[in-house]
Amino acid sequence: GDSVTQMEGPVTLSEEAFLTINCTYTATGYPSLFWYVQYPGEGLQLLLKATKADDKGSNKGFEATYRKETTSFHLEKGSVQVSDSAVYFCALSDHNTGGATNKLIFGTGTLLAVQP
Amino acid sequence: EAGVAQSPRYKIIEKRQSVAFWCNPISGHATLYWYQQILGQGPKLLIQFQNNGVVDDSQLPKDRFSAERLKGVDSTLKIQPAKLEDSAVYLCASTGGREQFFGPGTRLTVL
Repeated sequence: GDSVTQMEGPVTLSEEAFLTINCTYTATGYPSLFWYVQYPGEGLQLLLKATKADDKGSNKGFEATYRKETTSFHLEKGSVQVSDSAVYFCALSDHNTGGATNKLIFGTGTLLAVQP
Repeated sequence: EAGVAQSPRYKIIEKRQSVAFWCNPISGHATLYWYQQILGQGPKLLIQFQNNGVVDDSQLPKDRFSAERLKGVDSTLKIQPAKLEDSAVYLCASTGGREQFFGPGTRLTVL
């Protein structure tokens, strides 16, 4: 079945450091790919998404490019801030069944801790 | 626009007791999901509704879990009887298009 694998945490960085969180996926169809963020004490929020190969999703300085050839969707940010400390989840939604409302399949999450 | 509402936020019960969670999706969203998030893992889908019909409940432990969405709006998820391994955060999400919006979740602790 479809699955998502992301790097284990925690990832600890100093403020203004470069961030990469790796994410790879397995899917039989042509999934949409997502990064969700969960700040302490809050619910899941969509950070960015990409719906087809070579698309780049971006938001709040974060970017991720849908790479079909490497089945990857790595999250990057050039300069992290303390406020970016959170758990980041990579996820996919398979469009095989033809709907825009398909379930999300999540990775295990990566805890990012940014120190001042 | 109001977000997805869930209650209660926290619940502590003993094993073999029953518990129910409530979710009110964003107005107009036809699709509603319940996910289970065990500590240290990503959310896993339990059940998906389209209006008041079930689309996917393949990962719902039907011997103890049940869910309904009678009028196609709010939904309840019930566990009876609870086991220790049911300790988790139960997330409700809804969508009217391509983005799922998540509620704050209910943290269940089974002792």
